Amino acid sequence: AQSVTQLGSHVSVSEGALVLLRCNYSSSVPPYLFWYVQYPNQGLQLLLKYTSAATLVKGINGFEAEFKKSETSFHLTKPSAHMSDAAEYFCAVSKRIGGNKLVFGAGTILRVKS
Amino acid sequence: EAGVAQSPRYKIIEKRQSVAFWCNPISGHATLYWYQQILGQGPKLLIQFQNNGVVDDSQLPKDRFSAERLKGVDSTLKIQPAKLEDSAVYLCASSHLIAGPFSGANVLTFGAGSRLTVL
Repeated sequence: AQSVTQLGSHVSVSEGALVLLRCNYSSSVPPYLFWYVQYPNQGLQLLLKYTSAATLVKGINGFEAEFKKSETSFHLTKPSAHMSDAAEYFCAVSKRIGGNKLVFGAGTILRVKS
Repeated sequence: EAGVAQSPRYKIIEKRQSVAFWCNPISGHATLYWYQQILGQGPKLLIQFQNNGVVDDSQLPKDRFSAERLKGVDSTLKIQPAKLEDSAVYLCASSHLIAGPFSGANVLTFGAGSRLTVL
């Protein structure tokens, strides 16, 4: 069965600092990978997705993620944090073939300090 | 385009009572999902519909949860009787139907969710 593990339930950074949110996946074959963001009292919004076209994926709001097969990782980064980035971030995985059921990690809450 | 609509946004009930949540997906989206998000956890898929048929309900507690999508458009999720552990946000999502080898790349659009508190 596929799964993702997000390291760190809470991450705190200063405004302007690098954001790094970690995600490792478990799958017998390289899956599709996604990052979603959830602002308070809102639904999940897609940040970016990896579908094998390129290992470095750029998303919205300046975020990007790199797929590393050797490390089974898909970490999310942003060079400079903004106060508006404070939210909960979820990594998710789905199978390449056989449906689009998303399996989510437990989430990482990002706090941005001024 | 209009987003995924859900109602009610908030519901407080006592245990053993019943509750129903409604979802209207994005127009033209053939696939509809109900996820349960318990505080501190990631969303967990309860049921997936493709048009008005069930694709996956393996994690739906069928002794108390039921869901339907009779006309292949909007959907209702019901809990009867509710337990304390059902307190969660119930998220509805929808997506286009993409079959075959690229189906896993499909992007889900989520509603704002219905927050249930069971006392």
